[in-house]
Amino acid sequence: AQSVSQHNHHVILSEAASLELGCNYSYGGTVNLFWYVQYPGQHLQLLLKYFSGDPLVKGIKGFEAEFIKSKFSFNLRKPSVQWSDTAEYFCAVNINTGTASKLTFGTGTRLQVTL
Amino acid sequence: GAVVSQHPSRVICKSGTSVKIECRSLDFQATTMFWYRQFPKKSLMLMATSNEGSKATYEQGVEKDKFLINHASLTLSTLTVTSAHPEDSSFYICSAVRAGGLNEQFFGPGTRLTVL
Repeated sequence: AQSVSQHNHHVILSEAASLELGCNYSYGGTVNLFWYVQYPGQHLQLLLKYFSGDPLVKGIKGFEAEFIKSKFSFNLRKPSVQWSDTAEYFCAVNINTGTASKLTFGTGTRLQVTL
Repeated sequence: GAVVSQHPSRVICKSGTSVKIECRSLDFQATTMFWYRQFPKKSLMLMATSNEGSKATYEQGVEKDKFLINHASLTLSTLTVTSAHPEDSSFYICSAVRAGGLNEQFFGPGTRLTVL
């Protein structure tokens, strides 16, 4: 079974600082990778996803993530955070099969951006 | 496209009663839907996988007789919390995978259940 680790549980940054949130997974086969964001009191939204191709994936709101297969990592980055980026961020992975497969979520990283 | 709705968004019920939560894919057909539970300030925990026309597959530790799942059509799955107790209070989230599409889940907005 696959598992996902998010090492940063709570990150506090000032506006305009750069962000990198770590995500590592354990699974020997081919996976699909996702980052979701959950703003306070709101539902889960997809930030970006990786299925195949260019390992550097660009998502919404200026976020990007890089899939490094050798490190089993899919870290999320943003060069300059805004106060509105304050939210909970979840990394998730599912097995790349021809049919729907369950997502395994990391424990989440709470990002707090201060003015 | 790929919109998933849940109804109700919030529900408060008395202990011992049953509550039904609906998950609908509004603009696509979904052969597979998933049900998650999220505790405050915690991650999503998969409860079960719901396949249209067949029995749901429950994750270890999830009571199938307590959390009844029905996936009667390609656009609707329901989760019924039977004989609810205060410890069942949680945020329940569903997701749906587009039939014939990529292995990507589209999430509903969630249902906040409070059992008094």
